[in-house]
Amino acid sequence: EAGVAQSPRYKIIEKRQSVAFWCNPISGHATLYWYQQILGQGPKLLIQFQNNGVVDDSQLPKDRFSAERLKGVDSTLKIQPAKLEDSAVYLCASRRAGTANTGELFFGEGSRLTVL
Amino acid sequence: QKEVEQDPGPLSVPEGAIVSLNCTYSNSAFQYFMWYRQYSRKGPELLMYTYSSGNKEDGRFTAQVDKSSKYISLFIRDSQPSDSATYLCASMGPGANNLFFGTGTRLTVIP
Repeated sequence: EAGVAQSPRYKIIEKRQSVAFWCNPISGHATLYWYQQILGQGPKLLIQFQNNGVVDDSQLPKDRFSAERLKGVDSTLKIQPAKLEDSAVYLCASRRAGTANTGELFFGEGSRLTVL
Repeated sequence: QKEVEQDPGPLSVPEGAIVSLNCTYSNSAFQYFMWYRQYSRKGPELLMYTYSSGNKEDGRFTAQVDKSSKYISLFIRDSQPSDSATYLCASMGPGANNLFFGTGTRLTVIP
């Protein structure tokens, strides 16, 4: 079974520029998450999708972050304009149906963003 | 107050040692508790999960939850260099979708 795919793995941009990250979850996983992991911290949820609908985006800074999941499969996370504090690893994760209570998320390797 | 607090370490032990990793949580509604392991420049992977209070053992790993004190522990017996990673505790409440992660403890097992 292929894992969660993310790209790009690394991105360096200057502040006020824009950036987009892409995620392809494990086949058949209806639930998809984007997490932000700042160096030395645990992952923090940005947004959760169930198929192509948003379940929770309460922690997403909507003035600069946006995310979509067209057709309930791939997802993109965009930041525009980027700030220095957005430097972090952006992790995509997916979950199988019926496993909500196990807390078992399958994470990709992440996209590491550096904002200069 | 953060939902889940974790000592960030770092923790360095000799091979074969018993390792104890700990977290506390603040929300008494949390019922599901997980430990994730994250190798350098990789995504976290689920190591163990437990429901409510009690112990759960899987090979060299034992997860323990004490809901009365809101304390979560992970014990690693006979630690190996391959156990060197960051260990993240996480919790969530019933019917919730969001995991609240601790900051992670970086563990190094020295051969």
